[in-house]
Formats: sequence, structure tokens, C-alpha cells
Amino acid sequence: GEDVEQSLFLSVREGDSSVINCTYTDSSSTYLYWYKQEPGAGLQLLTYIFSNMDMKQDQRLTVLLNKKDKHLSLRIADTQTGDSAIYFCAESSTSNTGKLIFGQGTTLQVKP
Amino acid sequence: KAGVTQTPRYLIKTRGQQVTLSCSPISGHRSVSWYQQTPGQGLQFLFEYFSETQRNKGNFPGRFSGRQFSNSRSEMNVSTLELGDSALYLCASSPRTGRTEAFFGQGTRLTVV
Repeated sequence: GEDVEQSLFLSVREGDSSVINCTYTDSSSTYLYWYKQEPGAGLQLLTYIFSNMDMKQDQRLTVLLNKKDKHLSLRIADTQTGDSAIYFCAESSTSNTGKLIFGQGTTLQVKP
Repeated sequence: KAGVTQTPRYLIKTRGQQVTLSCSPISGHRSVSWYQQTPGQGLQFLFEYFSETQRNKGNFPGRFSGRQFSNSRSEMNVSTLELGDSALYLCASSPRTGRTEAFFGQGTRLTVV
């Protein structure tokens, strides 16, 4: 079935790099997404990658995709206290509709 | 360009009542999806509408329903509310159906008492 797994918690020091990991099960071509959720807010789309790509970079964000291992990671360079939030990994459903399958979310804590 | 607008932001209802939530997608977007977010179950897909047609439905009881209007605005309705329906309901807007980017609104926080 469709499933997305993430570690639940990550703590880093301000200025360090953060790496949030995700594994997924869909073996077909798919889009994979990273969303950020701050307390009391909706989901902010950070970036997404198509499964025929290995890497995507956008300013401080780098997404790496290992399609063989079905492993996705989000690296945040120079992590700031404002990056403290919950980060969700998601994949497009095999149903080829707008359905997204989300992981449980990784809480990123950034210490000053 | 305005983002996804969900109304109301907060809602308190009593068990057994019904509720209607509204979502206005980004201008030009034709697909609207709804998700329920709870601490225990995480983010779960409710349904997707595209061009006024339901394209996909999640594993929720028939008390949860939705519709989409010709201007792409969407509403979801929950009848006979239960305490377990308390959640953050999120709406996502996409330019088309299928695999594409999805932008979320701020959500409607529903509390059932």
C-alpha cells in the first residue's frame, strides 16, 4: 500500500545544517513534496521533486532523492530559529488524482 | 495572487449538529482537495474535486461530503457531528488534477463539544 515514514523529532543548533529524512513506498513515477507547518497554521509548500530527478536546490533548501531506496531528504542550510516547525513529507497517490499521502511529520527544534 | 482562503477559521459545534466549511482556491486553480488533521491520525485525505466532479474519496464515513461550484470554490459538510470529528480541516488548491503542486489554506479548526 501507500505509506510514507518520517522520524518524529530533530534538534539542531542555530547555524548548523538540518537533514530531515523520509521513506516512501510508491514505486511508480511520482511527485514528492516537503511542507512546513508552524503552530496554528496551515501547510506551506516548501519544494517538490519529480521522481526522475536526483536533486533539487532552492536557496537554503536541498532535496535529495534516492529512487532505488525510496528515500527522500530535505537539507536546510544555516538553520535559523524561524525554521522551527513541523516538516511533512508527502507523495502523490498512485490513483493519479490530487490525493497526497503524508508522513507523520518531523518536529524540528532549533536551539539558539 | 491571493492564496487559498478557508472560512471560518474557527468553529465550535455541539455533538449531533452539522457543519459546512468553505474553501476558495487560488484563482485559475480547478482542483480542490480536503484533508483532516488530528494529533492521533495525522493528515488524512477526505476527497478531491475537479471541474465540479468528485475525483477521489478517502476512507471516511458518509457523514462527510463535499461539492465544488462552477467557480471552483468548494464546500465540505459534516453531518451528525461526533466528538472525534474535532480536527483541523485543510483545503488544498491545485491547477489541475493528478500529480502537480498543491497549495494549502490556513485551515478551519473545528471543535465538537
